[in-house]
Amino acid sequence: AQTVTQSQPEMSVQEAETVTLSCTYDTSESDYYLFWYKQPPSRQMILVIRQEAYKQQNATENRFSVNFQKAAKSFSLKISDSQLGDAAMYFCAYRSSYSGGGADGLTFGKGTHLIIQP
Amino acid sequence: EAGVAQSPRYKIIEKRQSVAFWCNPISGHATLYWYQQILGQGPKLLIQFQNNGVVDDSQLPKDRFSAERLKGVDSTLKIQPAKLEDSAVYLCASSSLFSGGPYEQYFGPGTRLTVT
Repeated sequence: AQTVTQSQPEMSVQEAETVTLSCTYDTSESDYYLFWYKQPPSRQMILVIRQEAYKQQNATENRFSVNFQKAAKSFSLKISDSQLGDAAMYFCAYRSSYSGGGADGLTFGKGTHLIIQP
Repeated sequence: EAGVAQSPRYKIIEKRQSVAFWCNPISGHATLYWYQQILGQGPKLLIQFQNNGVVDDSQLPKDRFSAERLKGVDSTLKIQPAKLEDSAVYLCASSSLFSGGPYEQYFGPGTRLTVT
């Protein structure tokens, strides 16, 4: 079974600064998908960014980018120009590509609470 | 496009009582998921439906949890009888191969269950 580890329970950053959230995962598969989700206090999970393991290029979405290191099984999220609205829980998630029978549920880490200091 | 709807938003029950949660996925989404999120942890998949069939229920405590999606649209998750450790947020999500990014799951606002 796959596992996802987020070693930073909480991170704090000044507004407009850059912050990096860490995620490592364990899998024996060679093809899979990785995601970062944001969960504000309203509890609604929002997809921030995704990465396909077969792609060498790191994904970017505006101020959000990832550093995907497949050999190291590392998938960190970098948030540039942090804004107050970025404050939330951030979850790293894994999805297998080898879904038997169509099973494609996500495996989540425990999350990192991101605090933005004004 | 309306998002994933869930009700109720909050529920407080005593242990050994039963409770049911409802989810209406995004229109046209064939796949529906139920996740359990215990405080301080990430969501854990309980069950996945493809249309009205179960694809994965390997982590569903079947002695007390049940779920159905009879017409392939909305779904109900039931707990009977509830235990203290069932206190959590229950998240519903849906996905479609034909909308959004590949394999993107869209989440509802969740139902916070407190068992006393």
